[in-house]
Amino acid sequence: DAGVTQSPTHLIKTRGQQVTLRCSPKSGHDTVSWYQQALGQGPQFIFQYYEEEERQRGNFPDRFSGHQFPNYSSELNVNALLLGDSALYLCASSLDRGRSNYGYTFGSGTRLTVV
Amino acid sequence: AQKVTQAQTEISVVEKEDVTLDCVYETRDTTYYLFWYKQPPSGELVFLIRRNSFDEQNEISGRYSWNFQKSTSSFNFTITASQVVDSAVYFCALSPNNQGGKLIFGQGTELSVKP
Repeated sequence: DAGVTQSPTHLIKTRGQQVTLRCSPKSGHDTVSWYQQALGQGPQFIFQYYEEEERQRGNFPDRFSGHQFPNYSSELNVNALLLGDSALYLCASSLDRGRSNYGYTFGSGTRLTVV
Repeated sequence: AQKVTQAQTEISVVEKEDVTLDCVYETRDTTYYLFWYKQPPSGELVFLIRRNSFDEQNEISGRYSWNFQKSTSSFNFTITASQVVDSAVYFCALSPNNQGGKLIFGQGTELSVKP
């Protein structure tokens, strides 16, 4: 049973560029959340997708956008990259059962470095 | 305000010692979930425990135990007879309002267990 799969594992981009990160949820899960984890910090919630729509959003600028596909996989897009966007980006999947919290499965993340 | 505080940034112990990781949370919600996750160097957040706000029973799982006290808004985690493999960063997290939404993480505690 595959867990959460994220790609790529590492990425180096130049300031001002755009980046797309990908996530395949755990089998049977239908909800995907994205988190940004700066070095030495706890993960910060970016947004959550359910039924192909953004359901919740954290305190991140519009440069951060996402998408969920019919097969529940998801993409995180970041435009106009800043040096401060360098971080580990984590994807978490869960099963939405009447919006109750049954826990999350996390991927290993994508390490984004902006130079 | 909703917040999780892990005051211990780093802890270092010698193998077989017991160690307690502290977690204090803030929320005005009456219904919420609390979590502990382990993050090894690989980056993936590994789920350890989920506790809902109505269940204050302490829990033991092998060498791990958790003490939930609503009166002090604390959810502490104890590892008994620590092992080198326990070395990792540990995060406490709050999921407010039981809506299956975002997790609010603490800053994490880096545990180093030396042989």
